[in-house]
Amino acid sequence: GESVGLHLPTLSVQEGDNSIINCAYSNSASDYFIWYKQESGKGPQFIIDIRSNMDKRQGQRVTVLLNKTVKHLSLQIAATQPGDSAVYFCAENGRNDMRFGAGTRLTVKP
Amino acid sequence: ETGVTQSPTHLIKTRGQQVTLRCSSQSGHNTVSWYQQALGQGPQFIFQYYREEENGRGNFPPRFSGLQFPNYSSELNVNALELDDSALYLCASRPEAASTDTQYFGPGTRLTVL
Repeated sequence: GESVGLHLPTLSVQEGDNSIINCAYSNSASDYFIWYKQESGKGPQFIIDIRSNMDKRQGQRVTVLLNKTVKHLSLQIAATQPGDSAVYFCAENGRNDMRFGAGTRLTVKP
Repeated sequence: ETGVTQSPTHLIKTRGQQVTLRCSSQSGHNTVSWYQQALGQGPQFIFQYYREEENGRGNFPPRFSGLQFPNYSSELNVNALELDDSALYLCASRPEAASTDTQYFGPGTRLTVL
């Protein structure tokens, strides 16, 4: 079946810098996407979502960009902080479920 | 916090045994989904329940079964445990069954099969 994939498995950034985490999806019928943050030993935590009728959505310090032409999704984190260190997953909606990629581990260096 | 709770936090079983994991959804959330997350991977969809009926299933064998109760609680049962069943099991709830509704996850149950 179709699946969500991520470009990079790890990302290391300096505290205060901006982070960009990328995600490719292959199901052109998907119309809803979510970014989740997962810290060690915890369940995925909702960060931000976007529907296919939008190409950009902003939250607090986070922005999600959706490029339907190339089936690409990105999460931008402004002024990255040590507390942002975690694994980030993008997910797309299937018929009943959300389909997750393998995740990108973000490490923030002090 | 998401308002979704799971129990137990950790569990150790041996191969061939049966296990029941529990989830309590947010009040008013009629849909609960269960996911299996192996180490280093993203969550994989097991099945979904809506108003106490299974209405979607991923690529998991019948020994994975579930129940959903009217009080927003649910169970995941796994029979004849195998070593590969060792994983973090997550439940997620949302108000209705539409896949465009945001799902909120619980903290998970870490199952180890020896």
